[in-house]
Amino acid sequence: NAGVTQTPKFRVLKTGQSMTLLCAQDMNHEYMYWYRQDPGMGLRLIHYSVGEGTTAKGEVPDGYNVSRLKKQNFLLGLESAAPSQTSVYFCASSLAGEPNEQFFGPGTRLTVL
Amino acid sequence: AQSVAQPEDQVNVAEGNPLTVKCTYSVSGNPYLFWYVQYPNRGLQFLLKYITGDNLVKGSYGFEAEFNKSQTSFHLKKPSALVSDSALYFCAVRDRGGSYIPTFGRGTSLIVHP
Repeated sequence: NAGVTQTPKFRVLKTGQSMTLLCAQDMNHEYMYWYRQDPGMGLRLIHYSVGEGTTAKGEVPDGYNVSRLKKQNFLLGLESAAPSQTSVYFCASSLAGEPNEQFFGPGTRLTVL
Repeated sequence: AQSVAQPEDQVNVAEGNPLTVKCTYSVSGNPYLFWYVQYPNRGLQFLLKYITGDNLVKGSYGFEAEFNKSQTSFHLKKPSALVSDSALYFCAVRDRGGSYIPTFGRGTSLIVHP
């Protein structure tokens, strides 16, 4: 049982490049989330999904897109990376219903030059 | 609307002493409350949660938290701190009957000195 995994662990992009971060969970969780963590800002929700084929915007969605084509996977895309998107990105998942705690992945450290 | 505040950016405590990491919240209804811990270069790990009932909640690694409705607080405590407890701690709140998405505090860095 691997829990929540994220790919890649590290990435350096140039401004304007695109990339996709992959999150996978093997716990059959309905809900999945993408957060970014910046110093002094805590965790900020980018997008989330309550089930396969459904996504919704969080607190800071601009510049990001997501897709949940399979229940176990949640993809985060950056179409045209900007230096402001330099951050550590965390994926999380949880069971539906309440109140269920979230399980977090190890994070992806992204630097945009 | 729901919000959570962690008023201390950093808490310093000597090993063996009791520790407290503070959290206050604001919800329109009744809260679900959570504590998570983040060790360096790792994701967050769940410690404990308050749902209902007993105001004192016990969690992992000897941590506990006390729910105080009148003070809208959910402080994290441990009777005797270990150097290995040094980490970043996050409080989170969900408004029962409201959004099912929790709101996280900004985190408190706990440093336990040998």
